[in-house]
Amino acid sequence: EVQLVESGGGLVKPGGSLRLSCAASGFTFSSYAMNWVRQAPGKGLEWVSSISSSSSYIYNADSVKGRFTISRDNSKNSLYLQMNGLRAEDTAVYYCARDPRSDVSRTTDYWGQGTLVTVSS
Amino acid sequence: DIQMTQSPSSLSASVGDRVTITCRASQDIIHYLNWYQQKPGKAPKVLIFAATTLQSGVPSRFSGSGSATDFTLTISSLQPEDFATYYCQQSYSTPITFGQGTRLEI
Repeated sequence: EVQLVESGGGLVKPGGSLRLSCAASGFTFSSYAMNWVRQAPGKGLEWVSSISSSSSYIYNADSVKGRFTISRDNSKNSLYLQMNGLRAEDTAVYYCARDPRSDVSRTTDYWGQGTLVTVSS
Repeated sequence: DIQMTQSPSSLSASVGDRVTITCRASQDIIHYLNWYQQKPGKAPKVLIFAATTLQSGVPSRFSGSGSATDFTLTISSLQPEDFATYYCQQSYSTPITFGQGTRLEI
């Protein structure tokens, strides 16, 4: 069974940093591209970042460029999102989602349950 | 960026109704269109990918159609568990963009 479990969310002050993790199991993690998608409270879905299976290709939303860094460790079956320079508008539930392909196809098939990031003083 | 516009934004329906949700892209995305269902407090669930292909395990009362800029999600006979919010998403180009959502209410 495919499982994606996010962790690392919490309350952080504006300008602060946070590192999110997504632990994958039930599939060969190194064969799939991965994504981060977020959802502000009561709002719609917003794509954040994507990474190919070998980390060769990375794509970021303009809203997080220069502040957020997606990475992965295939030996640990884990996906990460390093978030620096956090702003109030980054407050959201952050989901990791699997791409059904090894290259970034911009489609997802499995999602984790999400971790809440709250940016507030 | 490709803008995705869903209509309606909300919809009231009854169990057994046939329901159609529309998604329009701001440019031709061929068939690169996915549909998601999200229930309160839960992660989105993929229903349909590539405009018409049903994700494994999704009931056959869900169907997708369309191409280029105009797409539809149809639920042939609403069940109680179908009351949720539905999103379309284009996978034609980066940045990935979603529609604003359609809330389906009883």
